[in-house]
Amino acid sequence: DIQMTQSPSSLSASVGDRVTITCRTSQSISRSVNWYQQKPGNAPKVLIYSASSLQSGVPSRFSGSGSGTTFTLTISSLQPEDFATYYCQQSYSTPYSFGQGTKLEIK
Amino acid sequence: QVQLVQSGAEVKKPGASVKVSCKASGYTFTSYFMHWVRQAPGQGLEWMGIINPTGGSTSYAQKFQGRVTMTRDTSTSTVYMDLSSLRSDDTAVYYCARADDSVASDIWGQGTLVTVSS
Repeated sequence: DIQMTQSPSSLSASVGDRVTITCRTSQSISRSVNWYQQKPGNAPKVLIYSASSLQSGVPSRFSGSGSGTTFTLTISSLQPEDFATYYCQQSYSTPYSFGQGTKLEIK
Repeated sequence: QVQLVQSGAEVKKPGASVKVSCKASGYTFTSYFMHWVRQAPGQGLEWMGIINPTGGSTSYAQKFQGRVTMTRDTSTSTVYMDLSSLRSDDTAVYYCARADDSVASDIWGQGTLVTVSS
């Protein structure tokens, strides 16, 4: 099974900051990583698929990059509605495991 | 509009089984696989398995092998997740989520809270 190591587990930042979340996989998985945002009480929402493709309707301040074993999600300028928990997921092979999550909080 | 509507909350005793339904609408049911993902209170997301609505083939996470069964009914565009031998640590919100071409979950159900308590 592919292990997903996401960091940091929590992050404090201010509106307007640029933030980066990293996900490392236990083996090379090409570009098969997706990123989700989840707010309390809600289902997750996909932001990025296939490492760098922006899901329709998602603001362009979100971007993804990486291939092989290291992937990043970047938010270029934090907005108040971006404070949430973020998860990476590999879609290379079953089981399609998730990272542990990164809780993004307001500083 | 495209949506997934799940069945309501359940309370079960340890050792019992639960069956959660997920009804799809707004798209061709057999064109997209369906994931099941769960989330224990205050915890992260855990992938449980996936079903192909066309033929009914499934793939389950090893952790749930022998306890989970995913099925579908194409006549009603509904997928089901049956989890048996429930334990207290199965208390979680269970989500169905449509798998797009990249296998990402682009549409999610609203979640079903399953509480296992004696």
